[in-house]
Formats: sequence, C-alpha cells, structure tokens
Amino acid sequence: AQRVTQPEKLLSVFKGAPVELKCNYSYSGSPELFWYVQYSRQRLQLLLRHISRESIKGFTADLNKGETSFHLKKPFAQEEDSAMYYCALTTQGAQKLVFGQGTRLTINP
Amino acid sequence: DVKVTQSSRYLVKRTGEKVFLECVQDMDHENMFWYRQDPGLGLRLIYFSYDVKMKEKGDIPEGYSVSREKKERFSLILESASTNQTSMYLCASSLTDATRGGYTFGSGTRLTVV
Repeated sequence: AQRVTQPEKLLSVFKGAPVELKCNYSYSGSPELFWYVQYSRQRLQLLLRHISRESIKGFTADLNKGETSFHLKKPFAQEEDSAMYYCALTTQGAQKLVFGQGTRLTINP
Repeated sequence: DVKVTQSSRYLVKRTGEKVFLECVQDMDHENMFWYRQDPGLGLRLIYFSYDVKMKEKGDIPEGYSVSREKKERFSLILESASTNQTSMYLCASSLTDATRGGYTFGSGTRLTVV
C-alpha cells in the first residue's frame, strides 16, 4: 500500500535559517509527489509538484527515488512561511492522493 | 477566482441533528472528495465520488453519507451528529487522473457539535 510519512509534526526555525521539511514515501513504482500548504485562515493549496521541477516562494523539493524521499527545502526562512505543510503522493492514472500527516512550520523572528 | 466553494465557513449543530455540508466546484472536475482535518491526524478521507451518483468509502466513512446528484455538487451528510464529529471538513475536486494538477480545495467548514 502507498504511504506517506512526515516524521515531524512540529518544526520551528528562526527567520533566515534554512528549512527542511521531511517527506518519505513507500511505493515501488514511479510516484507523482506534491507539497500542499495551508496558511492561517486560508485554504489548502498546491505549493509545488516534483514533475514541474520549479521553485515556488523559494521552496524546492527533489524526488530521491533511492531514499524514497521528497523533502521540501528553503535556504532562508521567512516569517510568512509559517504554515501547515502536507506531502502527498499519487500514481499515474490514480484518482486519489495519499497525504502525510502534516508538519506545522513556525518561523520565529 | 474561487473554484471550490463550501457553503458554510462555520456551523454549530446539536447532538442528534442531521447535518448537510455542501460543496460546489466550477472546474468540471470528475472527482470530488470530503476530508476531515484534525490536529495530529492530518487529512483523513471520508468519501469520494468519481462520477455523478457514484461514490466510494474512504478511510473513515462511519457516521457519514454523501450525495452527488450533479457533477458540480457534492454533499456530505451527518445522519445524526455526535460530538466526536466536531472537526474541520475540507472538500476537494480533481480531474479523473489526480496526477494532472492534483486537488483543488475549498476553504473548509468548521463544524462544532454541542
């Protein structure tokens, strides 16, 4: 069965420090991976997807098939990055996403 | 620009009441989903629908039912609300193939059952 694990429920870093939110998955094939973000009082929205290979709001995520990971990184955290982050997985042709349990990121001034 | 709309942002209901949560999407998506979002538990799928009148149970369907009479509308029904159903409910929609763009979420309905 497909599974997504976000080992940290809470993560707190200082402004300007590097940020890494961990995401590990279990799936033997080629997954499609996403990061979703939910800012305070806003809807859950797509942040980035690995297939796009893009940087959004300074965040990047690289799919590492050997380590089955899709960690989200940002070199210099900003206070507005404080939010709830979910990693999600799906497979080609699948109808559903499988979500991790989420990491609440707090950026301290 | 709003694409997935949940009819209520906040609801307070009494134990035993029948509760309807409504969700409408304007993207012509085939799939629609209802999730619960609880601290420490992440997103848990209640039900999803892949076509009009078609539905499939998710991970926690007990105490809930759904209705999809039109493609754009997906309703979640709590037959007899209980206090343990106090939660944030999120509706989402997607194309048939979830790899194409992922999900689009509504803004959520915070339900309190007293």
